[in-house]
Formats: sequence, C-alpha cells, structure tokens
Amino acid sequence: AQSVTQLDSQVPVFEEAPVELRCNYSSSVSVYLFWYVQYPNQGLQLLLKYLSGSTLVKGINGFEAEFNKSQTSFHLRKPSVHISDTAEYFCAVSALAGYGGATNKLIFGTGTLLAVQP
Amino acid sequence: DVKVTQSSRYLVKRTGEKVFLECVQDMDHENMFWYRQDPGLGLRLIYFSYDVKMKEKGDIPEGYSVSREKKERFSLILESASTNQTSMYLCASSPQGVGELFFGEGSRLTVL
Repeated sequence: AQSVTQLDSQVPVFEEAPVELRCNYSSSVSVYLFWYVQYPNQGLQLLLKYLSGSTLVKGINGFEAEFNKSQTSFHLRKPSVHISDTAEYFCAVSALAGYGGATNKLIFGTGTLLAVQP
Repeated sequence: DVKVTQSSRYLVKRTGEKVFLECVQDMDHENMFWYRQDPGLGLRLIYFSYDVKMKEKGDIPEGYSVSREKKERFSLILESASTNQTSMYLCASSPQGVGELFFGEGSRLTVL
C-alpha cells in the first residue's frame, strides 16, 4: 500500500530564513504528488502539484518542490519565509487503482506545522 | 472560484445521537470526499463518491455512512455518535481525472 511520510511534525524558523519541509512517499509505480496548506481554522488549499514533466514545480506564495524519483521524495522549499506562512502543510500522493493507474483519491501525510518567528 | 460549503463549522452532540454533516459544491464536480483530520494522524479518507448514488469506502468507514442523492451534495452520517468520533471533518470535491481536491472549511464535531 502507498504511504506518505512527513518526518517533521513541527519546523520552527525565523522570518526571512529559508525553509525545507520534507516529504517521502512509497510507491512502486508513478504517482502524482501534491502539497496543501491549511491556515488556522480553515480547510486545505493547494500549494502545488506534480503530475508529469519538469521535476521542479513552482506553486503559490513563492513555494516550490522538487520531485526526486530515485529518493522517492517531494520536498517543499521556500527561500525566505514570512510570518503569514505559519500554517500546517500536508504532502499527499494519489492512490492507485487495482489496475495500477492513479486515482483521484489522495493519501495524506501527517502534516508539518511551520512556525515562523519574528 | 470553486466553493465547497460545509453546513456547520462547529457541532456539539451527545453520545448515541444521529449526526448529519452536509457538504455542497457548486462546480458540477463528479467526485466528492469525506476526510477526518486528527492531530498527528493527518487526513484519513472515510468515504468517497464518484457519481450520484455511488459510494465507496475509504480507509476508516466504520461508524459512518454517506448519502449522495444529488450531484452537488454529499452527506456524512454518524448513526450513533461516539466520543471517539470527536474530530474535524473535511469535505472535498474534484472533477474527473487526477488533480486538485477542493476543500471546505471543515466541521469540528465534539461528541460528549
């Protein structure tokens, strides 16, 4: 079965510093990968997605992620964070159907709380 | 913009009560989902529906049922609420094919 691992439950960082949120997935076939952000008391919002093509994916709010098939990773990065980036970030992978194709069901990691301090 | 609306942001119910969580989307999406979010566990899929009157179990369907009588509406039902169902419930929708899920703002349910 597929799974997503976000090893860091919380990442504290100072404002204007760079940040990397780690995500590793397990799958024996090609998958689609997503990062979502959840601000306090809100639902989830898509940051970026990798479906195919370039392994470097740019998203909203200055975030980007790199798909690394050999390391089965999809780490999220931002060169300079703001206080307003404080939120919980979820990595997700598309679940596979029985025939091996990707479905639109997503399997989520446990989330990483990014705490930006002044 | 796609809008997914969950009828109640906060609910407090008693053990044994029947609970209905309603979700409506306005973008004619085929697929709708109910997830449960708990600290340290992330989001777990309860049920999903890919068409009217169609439903499939997710990873944690026990204690829940769903109803999709109209394309835009997907309801989650707790037949007899228990304290271990205290959680944040998130509804989402998506068009056919693989891509983005659009989420509602969530319904925080407390069962006493």
